[in-house]
Amino acid sequence: ILNVEQSPQSLHVQEGDSTNFTCSFPSSNFYALHWYRWETAKSPEALFVMTLNGDEKKKGRISATLNTKEGYSYLYIKGSQPEDSATYLCAYMDSNYQLIWGAGTKLIIKP
Amino acid sequence: GAGVSQSPSNKVTEKGKDVELRCDPISGHTALYWYRQSLGQGLEFLIYFQGNSAPDKSGLPSDRFSAERTGGSVSTLTIQRTQQEDSAVYLCASSSARISEQYFGPGTRLTVT
Repeated sequence: ILNVEQSPQSLHVQEGDSTNFTCSFPSSNFYALHWYRWETAKSPEALFVMTLNGDEKKKGRISATLNTKEGYSYLYIKGSQPEDSATYLCAYMDSNYQLIWGAGTKLIIKP
Repeated sequence: GAGVSQSPSNKVTEKGKDVELRCDPISGHTALYWYRQSLGQGLEFLIYFQGNSAPDKSGLPSDRFSAERTGGSVSTLTIQRTQQEDSAVYLCASSSARISEQYFGPGTRLTVT
């Protein structure tokens, strides 16, 4: 059974602080790893698609790293702002192109 | 450019009635996905299309659910004999290739009374 785990389930962070959270996935048959941000009352928005072991991607204050050998990806947010409050989803794609979604990490930024 | 559109944005229906939800993907996107989010739950995969064919229907919750895609573009998700547990936000997404990032539509909020 393919399983994608995200931790923590929820996270409260003070405005201005940096934070990170984890997506764990099967290390076998890896093809790609997606990260999305899902704000309340909106639709999910793509952040990154990562395919290579050791890959690191950055978009503004948000960055992500990928370790396909051990099956994890970290998402980092530097200097959190209230607009970063959202649920962050990761999705693992295997070599059969099956996309498995994690349950998400809900991030709440406290002003 | 135009993003993914869905219609209707809201649908209230009586239990037992059939409903059709529509998704217009981004032009040229070959991959199309249907998901739903029930109250308090995460994203639940329903079905995936590559062109007009659906190689992955594994997420459809019952045989009351069906979907089709015509001309490699518009897709409709049909729910027959709706039940209260079908109430959810139904999201459609498209991508230019199976591995690529998905672009989501605004969703259809279905309420079954």
